[in-house]
Amino acid sequence: GAVVSQHPSWVICKSGTSVKIECRSLDFQATTMFWYRQFPKQSLMLMATSNEGSKATYEQGVEKDKFLINHASLTLSTLTVTSAHPEDSSFYICSAPPAGGTDTQYFGPGTRLTVL
Amino acid sequence: LAKTTQPISMDSYEGQEVNITCSHNNIATNDYITWYQQFPSQGPRFIIQGYKTKVTNEVASLFIPADRKSSTLSLPRVSLSDTAVYYCLVGPEYNNNDMRFGAGTRLTVKP
Repeated sequence: GAVVSQHPSWVICKSGTSVKIECRSLDFQATTMFWYRQFPKQSLMLMATSNEGSKATYEQGVEKDKFLINHASLTLSTLTVTSAHPEDSSFYICSAPPAGGTDTQYFGPGTRLTVL
Repeated sequence: LAKTTQPISMDSYEGQEVNITCSHNNIATNDYITWYQQFPSQGPRFIIQGYKTKVTNEVASLFIPADRKSSTLSLPRVSLSDTAVYYCLVGPEYNNNDMRFGAGTRLTVKP
């Protein structure tokens, strides 16, 4: 089946620094990718929709200037957490539906972010 | 998207059949029912999708009554490795739009 990868799988950073997380569709093209955040023992919460070649759309309550999304190609979307703080520590997951709409969405393995 | 309601948690023993029911009273005519499985510190994994009656694959079965206001995921003869959170989602087929996850059901399989 289709594969979505994320890099890094985990990252630890100091408060105030920025962290970039990559989401790649390895064997298919995705004009749209989705970013989720998941806190311990909680469900996935949609943060934003990443659109190739255009601006991302953010869910209510998600700061677009803090969570920068760039969908530069049909196989890569990046999420940059700017000026990270301990409350941004979470599990970040991306998903991508293969272009053409004939298959279910595929989720990446997630990235564990810990902000000290 | 239609809201879904599932039990928060379930316990089972190895070798048993597990049935997890999801309520979706406001399901739309063109909505499908999709189930995902998530292990700790991993992304969700597609299990099964259906529209009505019964769907079966190598992993699970999905039972959907005629009114489609609920659905039941059936896992035959579970093993310890089936311990995970199971999410029921309702939306267009293949759900290529944003997916809204409910709380899910935390299944614990005991030896």
